[in-house]
Parts: sequence; C-alpha cells; structure tokens
Amino acid sequence: ETGVTQTPRHLVMGMTNKKSLKCEQHLGHNAMYWYKQSAKKPLELMFVYSLEERVENNSVPSRFSPECPNSSHLFLHLHTLQPEDSALYLCASPLGTDNTGELFFGEGSRLTVL
Amino acid sequence: AQSVSQHNHHVILSEAASLELGCNYSYGGTVNLFWYVQYPGQHLQLLLKYFSGDPLVKGIKGFEAEFIKSKFSFNLRKPSVQWSDTAEYFCAVNAKSSASKIIFGSGTRLSIRP
Repeated sequence: ETGVTQTPRHLVMGMTNKKSLKCEQHLGHNAMYWYKQSAKKPLELMFVYSLEERVENNSVPSRFSPECPNSSHLFLHLHTLQPEDSALYLCASPLGTDNTGELFFGEGSRLTVL
Repeated sequence: AQSVSQHNHHVILSEAASLELGCNYSYGGTVNLFWYVQYPGQHLQLLLKYFSGDPLVKGIKGFEAEFIKSKFSFNLRKPSVQWSDTAEYFCAVNAKSSASKIIFGSGTRLSIRP
C-alpha cells in the first residue's frame, strides 16, 4: 500500500453532476489535506483536517464540501462545479507526528468539468 | 499573509550544466522551508527541508538549498544536472506558529536536454 491513495485517478463530470473524490492514508498520522493544482498557478491549499476536525478552510466555494469520517479517510464532495474547477486535486498527509510541514502526497485525482 | 514566489516558470538546461532555481517568500515570522519535486507521471515528493541551524541544507540526488534570511530566499541548486532531473520543482513554506498551513509556489518546470 502506498502512503496516500486517491480515487478515482480521473473524473469527468458535467456541471450538474454530484461526485466525490476519496483519499485514504496509511501513514498513521492524524492530519489530512486537500490541495488544488492548476497549470501555472501555485498549489492552492483548500482544506486541512486534524483529528477529524477542519482546521483550515481557505475561502473555498461551497460547491466543494470536505468530509473526514476518521483519521484515515478524507472525501471531497463535488456539486454544481464550473469548468474553471478542472484541475488536479491532491490529497496529502504529514510524514511525521510533529507537524513540521513535511507532507506525503497522493498521485492526485484529475478532474475535468464539462 | 504568507506567499511564495518562484520567478522562473520554465528552465531549460543541457546535461552537466549547473542549476539554480529561485524561491522567495513573504512572512515576517519564523518559518520552515521546503522544496518538493514532481517527476513526470509521479506524485509530489519532498526533496529537502530547512527547519533551523545550518542554512545550507542538502537533499536527495545531489540537490542543496541555501536559506538567506535577510533576502527571504531559499534557492535550490545542483552543480551538475542530469536528464533524470527533468521535473517540476515547488518551493513551500509554513510558519512555525501555524505549521498546518503549508503554502506552495507556482512551480518551476525544469527540462534537461540529453
């Protein structure tokens, strides 16, 4: 098992669809992150969960709804998205327990909104 | 608010050339600094990190970075690049007081001509 597993790897959806991205971490730590990676833009921090509570929410539109049912799983629920939401969505979890900022990333979910 | 600037969007070098990628951050407090690398088709992974102490840090694959506090910089260097260094490189920072919020730059794509 890799440290952080994301599914699906690719997703195409219409603007009226509802879908979810899933992240599972096997590193044994209590924090999980969602980032958005768009071409030629900085990785955008979306959400951070620590001990299943949201500790960061970077002004993300409400059409993105995170859910963290336990310390190993993180979801990103998507509804009524816009074409500009097409991007690579990355999940990450800390490499260590001391929360220094070292992250282990999943391979990402490539989202295309038509 | 913290921010990270990477001024070179795309760098093209020949094998054996020396590399320096610029990274500047803005934040008034004490920070941790990171370089991450994303090889084609692979997930983002940590290349090196600076927490404290010697401002010259060494990472994997012969990379090093120097923290210059007065310049708010953390440039990445390698004396002699190889074709396998072709990748995208991301600088990142987090404040020690708010370690969960890790901010990334927009990345520099490095292409190495064989």
